[in-house]
Amino acid sequence: DAKTTQPPSMDCAEGRAANLPCNHSTISGNEYVYWYRQIHSQGPQYIIHGLKNNETNEMASLIITEDRKSSTLILPHATLRDTAVYYCIVRVPLNNAGNMLTFGGGTRLMVKP
Amino acid sequence: NAGVTQTPKFQVLKTGQSMTLQCAQDMNHEYMSWYRQDPGMGLRLIHYSVGAGITDQGEVPNGYNVSRSTTEDFPLRLLSAAPSQTSVYFCASSHGWGTEAFFGQGTRLTVV
Repeated sequence: DAKTTQPPSMDCAEGRAANLPCNHSTISGNEYVYWYRQIHSQGPQYIIHGLKNNETNEMASLIITEDRKSSTLILPHATLRDTAVYYCIVRVPLNNAGNMLTFGGGTRLMVKP
Repeated sequence: NAGVTQTPKFQVLKTGQSMTLQCAQDMNHEYMSWYRQDPGMGLRLIHYSVGAGITDQGEVPNGYNVSRSTTEDFPLRLLSAAPSQTSVYFCASSHGWGTEAFFGQGTRLTVV
């Protein structure tokens, strides 16, 4: 799986958009980008994933650059409950290793009032 | 649906003791896995299973055994607990290739 680089921490004002960057410059053509978050030592929670097109769901939007070397997770209107560690993971979904995920250090997002 | 259920939530063991962490899911997912998370770190894969009767090692398998006799259950056994195994353990399941993984709430294990 490709290695990812994320800033260790970020702050965001409540109600504003939170833009979390992820660098994955060694990503290969068949690797997907996944985002999970972990709120205060709870089990990680799936947010979104994509291959090359931008994706949006009820939680967030995922913007992947055209060269796929980086991506941005956007929480459009951050709330205090979005304070968490956000993990960017790139992986090939079709392999013999089941559905294993490789977690890096993530970005600790602090949403402030 | 309960999702992924882990028991116990907390456990204290003495060095050398053995125990089993339980994980059950009611979503009929084929894939299940165990991770450990040390303080300030991301999760690391211990063992995983792609179906009943099939298991394999992850990144940090030493000191742990698993089995998968049913689709629903995936217990993790600590053979002889060591202080280095003090950690929070998460179980996860997913339906198929590349689909979202659902995590349990974790078991916080302390080995003294």
